[in-house]
Amino acid sequence: QKEVEQNSGPLSVPEGAIASLNCTYSDRGSQSFFWYRQYSGKSPELIMFIYSNGDKEDGRFTAQLNKASQYVSLLIRDSQPSDSATYLCAVTDGGFKTIFGAGTRLFVKA
Amino acid sequence: EPEVTQTPSHQVTQMGQEVILRCVPISNHLYFYWYRQILGQKVEFLVSFYNNEISEKSEIFDDQFSVERPDGSNFTLKIRSTKLEDSAMYFCASSEAGSDGYTFGSGTRLTVV
Repeated sequence: QKEVEQNSGPLSVPEGAIASLNCTYSDRGSQSFFWYRQYSGKSPELIMFIYSNGDKEDGRFTAQLNKASQYVSLLIRDSQPSDSATYLCAVTDGGFKTIFGAGTRLFVKA
Repeated sequence: EPEVTQTPSHQVTQMGQEVILRCVPISNHLYFYWYRQILGQKVEFLVSFYNNEISEKSEIFDDQFSVERPDGSNFTLKIRSTKLEDSAMYFCASSEAGSDGYTFGSGTRLTVV
């Protein structure tokens, strides 16, 4: 059974701080890694994807991938109250199915 | 910005009834998906669809479920005989390539009573 594990949180950070969200996955054959944001009662929204080891930056977001450790992380710099949401880590093995983690709830305090 | 459209937003049905959930994927996307999320739980894969056929399905997607692309724009999920445990939010998604991230629709909340 392929698994994606996340700390459920909540993770609470003050406004302007860096939020660090982590994810591990069980399938060494995983090839594509995604972070989605899901506001309460809404659908997931893609914010980042990463395919290769290392860091990938997009605005205030940085995704980090370490395939040897089977570990993916998301850093959110200058966190804003509007970043308060559940962040879903998702992984594919190159096939047609994406496996989602249960998500980490982030609260950014103003 | 292009979006995936789902209808209805909320459907209440009696146990044993058939329901059809409808989706209009983004027009230049080639891969279509159905996922569901039971309240408070993970987003779960149901089925993927490419080139007018199912490319992969999960254990959840049993004989009670079917998908169809009846024309060039719609993508539907049918549940033949609904059970109480089918109550969930059902998300349609599409992607340009199989390895891309998805654009999700806003979902259909299915309540089986």
